[in-house]
Amino acid sequence: QSVLTQPPSASGTPGQRVTISCSGSSSNIGGNTVNWYQQLPGTAPKLLIYSNNQRPSGVPDRFSVSKSGTSASLAISGLQSEDEADYYCAAWDDSLNGLYVFGTGTKVTVL
Amino acid sequence: QVQLQQWGAGLLKPSETLSLTCAVYGGSFSGYYWSWIRQPPGKGLEWIGEINHSGSTNYNPSLKSRVTISGDTSKNQFSLKLSSVTAADTAVYYCARASMVRGVDVWGKGTTVTVSS
Repeated sequence: QSVLTQPPSASGTPGQRVTISCSGSSSNIGGNTVNWYQQLPGTAPKLLIYSNNQRPSGVPDRFSVSKSGTSASLAISGLQSEDEADYYCAAWDDSLNGLYVFGTGTKVTVL
Repeated sequence: QVQLQQWGAGLLKPSETLSLTCAVYGGSFSGYYWSWIRQPPGKGLEWIGEINHSGSTNYNPSLKSRVTISGDTSKNQFSLKLSSVTAADTAVYYCARASMVRGVDVWGKGTTVTVSS
């Protein structure tokens, strides 16, 4: 069961900016940092952004995040064909004994 | 560069116990939460639970009654057991490393587990 809510799909043409929202509560997003994952078809998820806005080595700065209260969003600027994937937000949840909760996932399609 | 290698049975019958093991290569076992996460076909990610280097565990309440995660620090390995499986437990199971700062940041390649009579 997913505690964080994301739109099921998003799309854009190459070069456009696409935004994905992630809605949670005070026990997860509201009180902890948000992480984002990219999952290409048939592969394990890959950490895209952690601690709200930190990018692991190799992740382009086309990916950025914002957070306000109990919601967060991931923006992909200059959309490229290789960005077509599933994206998940995640956060630690204090109300569930420190359980790590994921978003419902958003499929990004490059038109 | 930390790498996780996982293995275990991929086909189970209902009521059997799922058993997977994950080995940690190229990094320290201490200071992290060693986790299991699953993904049913065509669905999202579900955190199953974790163990730290001192053996403390934390489980998803929805699976707690059936899950056991154990660790062997001498081998840098940790394992998952899920009892009384049903078709609803069919999923890709991932082992992973987590921390409070970076969340889940290293993933195994995943093991497909199918429960079918």
